[in-house]
Amino acid sequence: DTGVSQDPRHKITKRGQNVTFRCDPISEHNRLYWYRQTLGQGPEFLTYFQNEAQLEKSRLLSDRFSAERPKGSFSTLEIQRTEQGDSAMYLCASSYLSGGGPSLYFGPGTRLTVL
Amino acid sequence: DAKTTQPPSMDCAEGRAANLPCNHSTISGNEYVYWYRQIHSQGPQYIIHGLKNNETNEMASLIITEDRKSSTLILPHATLRDTAVYYCIVLLREAAGNKLTFGGGTRVLVKP
Repeated sequence: DTGVSQDPRHKITKRGQNVTFRCDPISEHNRLYWYRQTLGQGPEFLTYFQNEAQLEKSRLLSDRFSAERPKGSFSTLEIQRTEQGDSAMYLCASSYLSGGGPSLYFGPGTRLTVL
Repeated sequence: DAKTTQPPSMDCAEGRAANLPCNHSTISGNEYVYWYRQIHSQGPQYIIHGLKNNETNEMASLIITEDRKSSTLILPHATLRDTAVYYCIVLLREAAGNKLTFGGGTRVLVKP
């Protein structure tokens, strides 16, 4: 069990550019979640997948954001035409469909800075 | 999911027990209490969870009041590495593996 991994760990971009982040969940976890966290706040839910199906999207996920999980394994989160307000930590988490224990396992996050 | 209320911050001395309170007065009978923590610049880390009985693991103890309206996370011997934001979350048992809704948490500073 290598844990949830995210790439890159840090990304600096200019306003208006597109960025893409990758998340590799724990193998065999069928649910994958994306969260966003701004400075001093708790993580906020963005969206989640069960296998390859995107089952829920938050109102925070504007039309500039798109997430995919094409084969039910890794996922990507793309932000188009980035804005300074997109600067945040983007967290990925994975879990089994059901079962107790930790509920969600989080990755280390990708910190995005939009200049 | 029920809302939780936590103090925004607290300090504790290294080597002493840290007692972190959480109020969840609207918790329903089938909702669990989960605790996560987030060390600076890392993702949240699971600590412990429970329904109504007290729970203990290698990281912490969880004490839930008999009426389940509040709970306390106890770090028995706080170390400097325990400095983090601690989140108390209530979650339906059937929803385990579902999304977590985070509040503001308690920022704990362990001082030498």
